[in-house]
Amino acid sequence: DVKVTQSSRYLVKRTGEKVFLECVQDMDHENMFWYRQDPGLGLRLIYFSYDVKMKEKGDIPEGYSVSREKKERFSLILESASTNQTSMYLCASSRGQERDTQYFGPGTRLTVL
Amino acid sequence: GENVEQHPSTLSVQEGDSAVIKCTYSDSASNYFPWYKQELGKRPQLIIDIRSNVGEKKDQRIAVTLNKTAKHFSLHITETQPEDSAVYFCAASTGGFKTIFGAGTRLFVKA
Repeated sequence: DVKVTQSSRYLVKRTGEKVFLECVQDMDHENMFWYRQDPGLGLRLIYFSYDVKMKEKGDIPEGYSVSREKKERFSLILESASTNQTSMYLCASSRGQERDTQYFGPGTRLTVL
Repeated sequence: GENVEQHPSTLSVQEGDSAVIKCTYSDSASNYFPWYKQELGKRPQLIIDIRSNVGEKKDQRIAVTLNKTAKHFSLHITETQPEDSAVYFCAASTGGFKTIFGAGTRLFVKA
């Protein structure tokens, strides 16, 4: 059974702080994704990675960066948190191009004050 | 850019009735259409998916239909139960790395 975990379920930060959200998957998946989920907007892709050290921008990359130093771990970084980054952040992974099913982590609800 | 429109945003049905959620997509190259269910406070989980070479797929009480010509696909839930209450997301993928999600439908099943 695929397991995707995220470092925190709830996080409260102040404006201007640097924030790290971590995601780990244990199924040797090639692809990993970061989404943010906001009411009425569904899931919007921030960044994804298809291999170690590889990253691609999604639809809303502004204000975020990512890091993938190991295959199982994908980190989302908010260099200088702002209040409009208050949201639910979901990590996901998938096996590769043949199988597009994405497996999601439990989410991190980030509040920026 | 590519997008997926999902309707309705909220759906309320009586237990035992059927529920239908509809999605349209813009990228004609899309060939994979998953549906995810997200219960309150939980992660989205795949409930059914369909590929472009198939027009319909059924799994017990849930079914998905695809009309590639019209670029729309639908989720059908029959004999709804209270545990079907959740947010449902449709999505479309071209088989690459990017999946576009709909905005979600909040389904309420009244006992």
